[in-house]
Amino acid sequence: GQNIDQPTEMTATEGAIVQINCTYQTSGFNGLFWYQQHAGEAPTFLSYNVLDGLEEKGRFSSFLSRSKGYSYLLLKELQMKDSASYLCAVPNNAGNMLTFGGGTRLMVKP
Amino acid sequence: DTGVSQNPRHKITKRGQNVTFRCDPISEHNRLYWYRQTLGQGPEFLTYFQNEAQLEKSRLLSDRFSAERPKGSFSTLEIQRTEQGDSAMYLCASSHTREAEAFFGQGTRLTVV
Repeated sequence: GQNIDQPTEMTATEGAIVQINCTYQTSGFNGLFWYQQHAGEAPTFLSYNVLDGLEEKGRFSSFLSRSKGYSYLLLKELQMKDSASYLCAVPNNAGNMLTFGGGTRLMVKP
Repeated sequence: DTGVSQNPRHKITKRGQNVTFRCDPISEHNRLYWYRQTLGQGPEFLTYFQNEAQLEKSRLLSDRFSAERPKGSFSTLEIQRTEQGDSAMYLCASSHTREAEAFFGQGTRLTVV
């Protein structure tokens, strides 16, 4: 089976840096996805990590440690529009479904 | 292509009625997924199609639920004899390959009263 844990809520200040953690247990590893979801909208793709290390993409970076079953999403120079839920997800071995965590709701305050 | 399209966006139905939702994936994507999402939770997998073949079904998909993708393009999800517990957002997604990210539609929000 697959299990994913991430914090339910986080609060941060505009302009700051925030790190959203995700731990997972899977029977096999086929990469890890991060999605952003604004309230009432569709999830949108942020990043995909399959190898250990940090992948940087503008203000957003994602880190993976396969040996620790751990990933984090790093958001820099926070903006009000970054207030959203951030979903961590892993595919099954066949690659035909994603198991999502419950999502971390990030609130950015002025 | 404007992305994954779902219709209707909202549906209110009485308990016991049948409802059907439609999903039009991105045209070149042969992989199509249905998920269900309740407030404050992540999406939960329901079923997966590769072209017209339904290759994976979750245990969440009771016998009241059926999904089709008859020509390998659009897909429908039908819920028979709806129950209040079926109230949720139903999300459709498509992808090009197993390694590629899934693109999600805006979802159909179902409310069973």
